[in-house]
Amino acid sequence: QVQLVESGGGVVQPGRSLRLSCAASGFAFDSYGMHWVRQAPGKGLEWVAVIWYDGRNKYYADSVKGRFTISRDNSKNTLDLQMNSLRAEDTALYYCATNIVVVGGNVFDLWGQGTMVTVSS
Amino acid sequence: SYELTQPPSVSVSPGQTARITCSGDALPKKSAYWYQQKSGQAPVLVIYEDTKRPSGIPERFFGSTSGTMATLTISGAQVEDEADYYCYSTDSSGNSYVFGTGTKVTVL
Repeated sequence: QVQLVESGGGVVQPGRSLRLSCAASGFAFDSYGMHWVRQAPGKGLEWVAVIWYDGRNKYYADSVKGRFTISRDNSKNTLDLQMNSLRAEDTALYYCATNIVVVGGNVFDLWGQGTMVTVSS
Repeated sequence: SYELTQPPSVSVSPGQTARITCSGDALPKKSAYWYQQKSGQAPVLVIYEDTKRPSGIPERFFGSTSGTMATLTISGAQVEDEADYYCYSTDSSGNSYVFGTGTKVTVL
């Protein structure tokens, strides 16, 4: 089954850390760049970070740069997001998603259902 | 940081045409993508590479670009098209991604 399943969300105090994971199945995970995207309650989508298919390059939104780290393990088909120094404004539903890839006229774009992170004292 | 600007809302009657604009300085050089997000669901790609429609997306969804603006047009909007729509692209470097501010489409 082609899917992405996020886990690791929860309630955490400001200043603390949390690690999210995304398990991929049913497709060639090691061929795709991967993103984390978040959505605060009642707000729009916000891109968080991307990692290339081989893990060599990583880029972050200014709002999380220096606090969040994206990583992947292609041997386990997993994507992670280490979130440090969490703030109230990091409260959101966090999605993992594949990079949009077009091959032979077909487009591949896969999203998980998200994991909720609440930063509150 | 790079921004993509959309109107907050668009309202049309069933069968009418809804147009959603997305303005960004890098759009002349970078492709635009459009997502539809219904309440409580993950986003669904409805347009990629400015004008292309994924399989399974109705033909009434049409993408176009002109200069610094991308447009999603829903011709003959249906009640089931009610959703939030987001444009998506990258900055000029291609390394920083961004979603538009989002547009709520109401069909009633």
